[in-house]
Amino acid sequence: GAVVSQHPSRVICKSGTSVKIECRSLDFQATTMFWYRQFPKQSLMLMATSNEGSKATYEQGVEKDKFLINHASLTLSTLTVTSAHPEDSSFYICSARDGSYNEQFFGPGTRLTVL
Amino acid sequence: QQQVKQSPQSLIVQKGGIPIINCAYENTAFDYFPWYQQFPGKGPALLIAIRPDVSEKKEGRFTISFNKSAKQFSLHIMDSQPGDSATYFCAAGHSGYALNFGKGTSLLVTP
Repeated sequence: GAVVSQHPSRVICKSGTSVKIECRSLDFQATTMFWYRQFPKQSLMLMATSNEGSKATYEQGVEKDKFLINHASLTLSTLTVTSAHPEDSSFYICSARDGSYNEQFFGPGTRLTVL
Repeated sequence: QQQVKQSPQSLIVQKGGIPIINCAYENTAFDYFPWYQQFPGKGPALLIAIRPDVSEKKEGRFTISFNKSAKQFSLHIMDSQPGDSATYFCAAGHSGYALNFGKGTSLLVTP
């Protein structure tokens, strides 16, 4: 149990385009999901916390108009990188809170490359 | 301010050895201390987690030791195998909420 999926696993896009990444909890309901960004050989940096049905809470320094987060259901959260630029290239990882066990499980990540 | 400090940055042990990774945290209100294993290109996978009411927890070959007074916790991998070669992250926080991660330890287990 406690499986979190992400789609797509890899995406390459041109500078200026928008990219949507989906995060799904497959076998549990996640009232809270988290989005992290990880640069090569670095730790995970929290970008935002999203609660189902409400606006996401962004960490300091993360542009909310650039990284749009929608948590429309208890099993799905999406991150849209708008007007992507090469510096947005990174590994984006979501996690979901399983309320039954009060633990956090991570998705497999999405590798974004902006040309 | 880094909430969780992890050491060493990298570690090489021979097969069968016992690598030990250490973490220290600042916030005494934290009540959840998980360890994650990450392989290249993959998301972190929860290995084992401990809460401050116990001093040690074992799951298979993985053991967490927790010292509440020192605000430190460590991961021990018994009988390490080449397949254990990965990056390990400690984290601390409140269960179910955003976690504060250490910077990671790159472990290499040689045959």
